[in-house]
Amino acid sequence: AQKVTQAQTEISVVEKEDVTLDCVYETRDTTYYLFWYKQPPSGELVFLIRRNSFDEQNEISGRYSWNFQKSTSSFNFTITASQVVDSAVYFCALSVASLYNQGGKLIFGQGTELSVKP
Amino acid sequence: DAGITQSPRHKVTETGTPVTLRCHQTENHRYMYWYRQDPGHGLRLIHYSYGVKDTDKGEVSDGYSVSRSKTEDFLLTLESATSSQTSVYFCAISEFGTRNNPLHFGNGTRLTVT
Repeated sequence: AQKVTQAQTEISVVEKEDVTLDCVYETRDTTYYLFWYKQPPSGELVFLIRRNSFDEQNEISGRYSWNFQKSTSSFNFTITASQVVDSAVYFCALSVASLYNQGGKLIFGQGTELSVKP
Repeated sequence: DAGITQSPRHKVTETGTPVTLRCHQTENHRYMYWYRQDPGHGLRLIHYSYGVKDTDKGEVSDGYSVSRSKTEDFLLTLESATSSQTSVYFCAISEFGTRNNPLHFGNGTRLTVT
């Protein structure tokens, strides 16, 4: 079975602190894709990044970075020098190749609510 | 932003009444999805469509049905609403499916069943 676990339900930090959001996934497929989404207080879901299972290179985009480790089945998200605008719920999601005969599905974790205080 | 419109944005209904939520897209994407979002559960897939008149169940499909008679519209129907269906419902679309492609989401419909 495929599963995504975000063990941190809520995280609270003070502005300028670094924060890491954990994501652990389960799948028996060798080909799969991982995603992160952001849901700000306004409620919309914003796509942040995708990574395929063959590319373990870490990625950095401004203050955001992602660490993908197949050995531990993790795809963690770090925000450096957090800002109040980073306050949101963040979701990790998994898509597996075996489900692609009909387009595939995204399986989401429970989400981590990040609160950045000034 | 992807052209996805969900209607209504908010709805309050009584237990036992039928409810239909609409998702309309202007992107001509093949794949469409309905998710529900509940605290502690993240987003869970209800139903999805991989073409006109082609639909399949997701992980929480009981009590829901869908229809897709044309590319741009994907309807979610609660045949007889229950309080456990109080949730925020999101529609999503994808041009190529989820193989290395993100879903693009609508702004959600907040449904309250009293």
